[in-house]
Amino acid sequence: GQSLEQPSEVTAVEGAIVQINCTYQTSGFYGLSWYQQHDGGAPTFLSYNALDGLEETGRFSSFLSRSDSYGYLLLQELQMKDSASYFCAVRDSGYSTLTFGKGTMLLVSP
Amino acid sequence: DGGITQSPKYLFRKEGQNVTLSCEQNLNHDAMYWYRQDPGQGLRLIYYSQIVNDFQKGDIAEGYSVSREKKESFPLTVTSAQKNPTAFYLCASSIDNDRRETQYFGPGTRLLVL
Repeated sequence: GQSLEQPSEVTAVEGAIVQINCTYQTSGFYGLSWYQQHDGGAPTFLSYNALDGLEETGRFSSFLSRSDSYGYLLLQELQMKDSASYFCAVRDSGYSTLTFGKGTMLLVSP
Repeated sequence: DGGITQSPKYLFRKEGQNVTLSCEQNLNHDAMYWYRQDPGQGLRLIYYSQIVNDFQKGDIAEGYSVSREKKESFPLTVTSAQKNPTAFYLCASSIDNDRRETQYFGPGTRLLVL
């Protein structure tokens, strides 16, 4: 089976930097994905890491360490609109589906 | 515009009733998925389909059924055997050979039991 652990909630202020961690346990591993979901809305894809290191996309970056089974999503210059739930997800080798973590609710305050 | 549509946005089910949730995509994606989301929970996979006329059970398939007669459509039926159907249901699709496994989600259907 597969399992992912991420904090249930993180709070920060506008303009700050926040890091959302994700640890996973899988029998195989293809890559770690991150999705954003605003309250009541559809999840949207943010980033994907298959290899160790940092991937940067604008204000968002994602990091992966395969040896530690660990990754994180880094959000910089936080804005109020970044208040949402963030999910990490993994694909187990040999399968074509994603397993999602329970999500981290990010609350950005003025 | 390409995308995924789900209908209805809200659906009410009476005890013992089967209801069907619609999911349509015009992205020409091969793979489609149904997820269930409960408050404060992640997305749990109900069923998925990689090709027309073929589908597989996900982690929580009991009490649900699907069909995939057309590439564009993947309806989900919540049967009376599903004793706790109240949840937010999300449909998604992906290109089967996308190495990043990017899934594109519809706006969701919220199912409530009367």
